[in-house]
Amino acid sequence: GENVEQHPSTLSVQEGDSAVIKCTYSDSASNYFPWYKQELGKRPQLIIDIRSNVGEKKDQRIAVTLNKTAKHFSLHITETQPEDSAVYFCAASRYGNEKLTFGTGTRLTIIP
Amino acid sequence: NAGVMQNPRHLVRRRGQEARLRCSPMKGHSHVYWYRQLPEEGLKFMVYLQKENIIDESGMPKERFSAEFPKEGPSILRIQQVVRGDSAAYFCASKVSSSYEQYFGPGTRLTVT
Repeated sequence: GENVEQHPSTLSVQEGDSAVIKCTYSDSASNYFPWYKQELGKRPQLIIDIRSNVGEKKDQRIAVTLNKTAKHFSLHITETQPEDSAVYFCAASRYGNEKLTFGTGTRLTIIP
Repeated sequence: NAGVMQNPRHLVRRRGQEARLRCSPMKGHSHVYWYRQLPEEGLKFMVYLQKENIIDESGMPKERFSAEFPKEGPSILRIQQVVRGDSAAYFCASKVSSSYEQYFGPGTRLTVT
């Protein structure tokens, strides 16, 4: 089955700087890669996603890149703000089932 | 359009009791997924259901756990004879047939004493 690895497990960034979180996946059939943000005690919220026919996607301060050959994808947050502090999870799935295999999460702390 | 609803939000059970967790998907969503999140850990897939059908239960323990998504009403995750190790947050997510995006409910936090 699919295996998703995520790094780093914790990340502290000065407010205004950029944050990058990286994930690798094992199943070459995976073709959908979402990112979720989870605040303490809350539900995971979908913040951005990318499909395998696209190499990069951007939404305001958030961008995701995908390298299918290397089987890795990354989340980039620019101009970080205190409200970006949360745990971020990457995930992978494939057409026909779409069950999500999650990474282990990155706890992002924005230092004011 | 209401989001995914789960109830109860918090559930306390003693060892050996049964826990029933309910999930109402977003309107128009016919696919439901259940995930479990242990404290300080990531989310693990348990089961994938469509109306009246279990599509994939490969993540669900073989014993004590069952799930259903009837033609009418919410999806139910049932845990019989709960043990302390079942304490976790249980999230359901739903999606439409034509899309990949899954939207999560607020979760049920199960505590087994």
